[in-house]
Amino acid sequence: GAVVSQHPSWVICKSGTSVKIECRSLDFQATTMFWYRQFPKQSLMLMATSNEGSKATYEQGVEKDKFLINHASLTLSTLTVTSAHPEDSSFYICSARHDRRTYEQYFGPGTRLTVT
Amino acid sequence: GQNIDQPTEMTATEGAIVQINCTYQTSGFNGLFWYQQHAGEAPTFLSYNVLDGLEEKGRFSSFLSRSKGYSYLLLKELQMKDSASYLCAVVDSNYQLIWGAGTKLIIKP
Repeated sequence: GAVVSQHPSWVICKSGTSVKIECRSLDFQATTMFWYRQFPKQSLMLMATSNEGSKATYEQGVEKDKFLINHASLTLSTLTVTSAHPEDSSFYICSARHDRRTYEQYFGPGTRLTVT
Repeated sequence: GQNIDQPTEMTATEGAIVQINCTYQTSGFNGLFWYQQHAGEAPTFLSYNVLDGLEEKGRFSSFLSRSKGYSYLLLKELQMKDSASYLCAVVDSNYQLIWGAGTKLIIKP
């Protein structure tokens, strides 16, 4: 149990375009979802936390107008990278937590974004 | 500020034992996780400690000392597939996960 999927697993886009990444909890309802970014050979960097039905909370330094997060249901959260630039190329990983009393996060497989 | 320290890289031999240390200074403590991450993949859960002591799970064990702000992950009977990064993460007083930079473990035959 506790499976999280992400789609797409990899995407290449041109500079200036927008890309949407989906994160789904397949067999549980996720009260909270997290979006991380990871550059090569670096640790995970939390970008934002989203609770179903409310606005996402962004970490310091993350532009909320550039990285749009929507957590419209208990099983789906989306991250849209708007007007992507080559420096946005990274590995984006989502995770989900299904119970506020449990702190374990279940990770999706990640999405490799390359902006050319 | 909040800080989690782990060695950047460690090397060990197949069949041997390795201990990966993690020290932390956080605002509050609600548990410590260890995750394994293979290159190009998402992290996978290994262990969660919230009380002092040793938790054993097969070849992997995790230890916690809250008074010392210290944890370690012990891997026994190392296999080549254990080559990965090992991430230490602490749940702070706001129930947020604070991540260490990870320890890259290289296993040699």
